[in-house]
Amino acid sequence: EVQLVESGGDLVQPGRSLRLSCAASGFTFSAFYMYWVRQAPGKGLVWVARITNGGSGTNYADSVRGRFTISRDNANNMLYLQLNSLTAEDTAVYYCASAWGEVVPGVGHWGRGTLVAVSP
Amino acid sequence: QSVLTQPPSASGTPGQRVTISCSGSSSNIGSQSVYWYQQFPGTAPKLIIYRNDQRPSGVPGRFSGSKSGTSASLAISGLRSEDEADYYCGTWDDSLSGWVFGGGTKLTVL
Repeated sequence: EVQLVESGGDLVQPGRSLRLSCAASGFTFSAFYMYWVRQAPGKGLVWVARITNGGSGTNYADSVRGRFTISRDNANNMLYLQLNSLTAEDTAVYYCASAWGEVVPGVGHWGRGTLVAVSP
Repeated sequence: QSVLTQPPSASGTPGQRVTISCSGSSSNIGSQSVYWYQQFPGTAPKLIIYRNDQRPSGVPGRFSGSKSGTSASLAISGLRSEDEADYYCGTWDDSLSGWVFGGGTKLTVL
């Protein structure tokens, strides 16, 4: 069974940084694309970033490019999101997600999410 | 403003068939597979359709997906009260080089 467990969410002041982690288990982590998706309170789903299975390819939403960095550690089945220069607009639940399958690269399995709140 | 367009709300009575649309363009739905997600308040989304019309194991056969050109649809037949949730479509956009979601549709079972 695929399990994705996020951690690292917190209340932080504008301009500060935060690092989110996602522990993956139950599948061959190194074979799957991974994603971060966020959801602001009462709003819809918004894709944040994607990383290829080997980690060499990354893509970002325009709203976070240059501020956020997605990375992975395939040896330890971990996914990360480094969040810098945070603003109130970054307040959201951040979900770690994996591709549905090795040959089905779209967003499939989801973690429970971790809350990032940015406020003075 | 989402890249994929969904109606904000939909409704039906128990036993009815309801359809939720998702409209995109040639750079996303027109050239990529569509995925559908179900989300209950306070919980994580759950994949219910992948590759346009494929159901993951455990998803009832009442849920079905289709795609034509630059639009996709999610149909729920034999509507049940437990289907009341938010539904999102999603796909890859080649022009944006990113994943895109629809704005979500809140389904109410009357």
